Amino acid sequence: DIVMTQSPDSLAVSLGERATINCKSSQSVLYSSNNKNYLAWYQQKPGQPPKLLIYWASTRESGVPDRFSGSGSGTDFTLTISSLRAEDVAVYYCQQYYDSPLTFGGGTKVEIK
Amino acid sequence: QLQLQESGPGLVEPSETLSLTCSVSGASISSSSDDWGWIRQPPGKGLEWIGDMYSSGNTYYNPSLKSRLTISVDTSKNQFSLKLRSVTAADTAVYYCARRIKTNPLGWFDPWGQGTLVTVSS
Repeated sequence: DIVMTQSPDSLAVSLGERATINCKSSQSVLYSSNNKNYLAWYQQKPGQPPKLLIYWASTRESGVPDRFSGSGSGTDFTLTISSLRAEDVAVYYCQQYYDSPLTFGGGTKVEIK
Repeated sequence: QLQLQESGPGLVEPSETLSLTCSVSGASISSSSDDWGWIRQPPGKGLEWIGDMYSSGNTYYNPSLKSRLTISVDTSKNQFSLKLRSVTAADTAVYYCARRIKTNPLGWFDPWGQGTLVTVSS
């Protein structure tokens, strides 16, 4: 199984400041045939299901604010919230879809400092 | 707009079978090119992929659950279902159904149902 490791487990960021979440896969999720990274990011607010933010490691889902961005390749990925807003308080998960079983990171909780 | 809704008992006794249904609206399961999956989340914990039903009718299960799991589809009702046998307290979780966008070979989940909490207890 591909193990997804997120860091930190939680972080507190001031409103308007940058939040950075890391996700590391135990093996590369870069598909050589199409040069795409098989990684998605989700946001989960309390009492709600996860919501897709980003796929292909850096493609923002329609309707997702541009303060959310994804980067990285191979085994190391980052989700960045450029200017934190109160409504961004949530747990964020990465997910690989390179191989079965599909696996998720353990989550990173983002709070307001 | 595609929507999914889980339904089923909220309480299951240990050793019994957990049965859930996902009702899909806004798209036809039988004509969709995408796949359909189940994911669960124990209280206060992270997400675990349970298994998928492909548009071809094939199913793929998490090896950790495969021996106890059946995912099936009822195209006449536009629903797909989950049966997990011989449950224990460790199967207590919020169970989500979701569409899995088909890429080559796998994909991401969007959208998700609201989820349903299933508690395993006597």
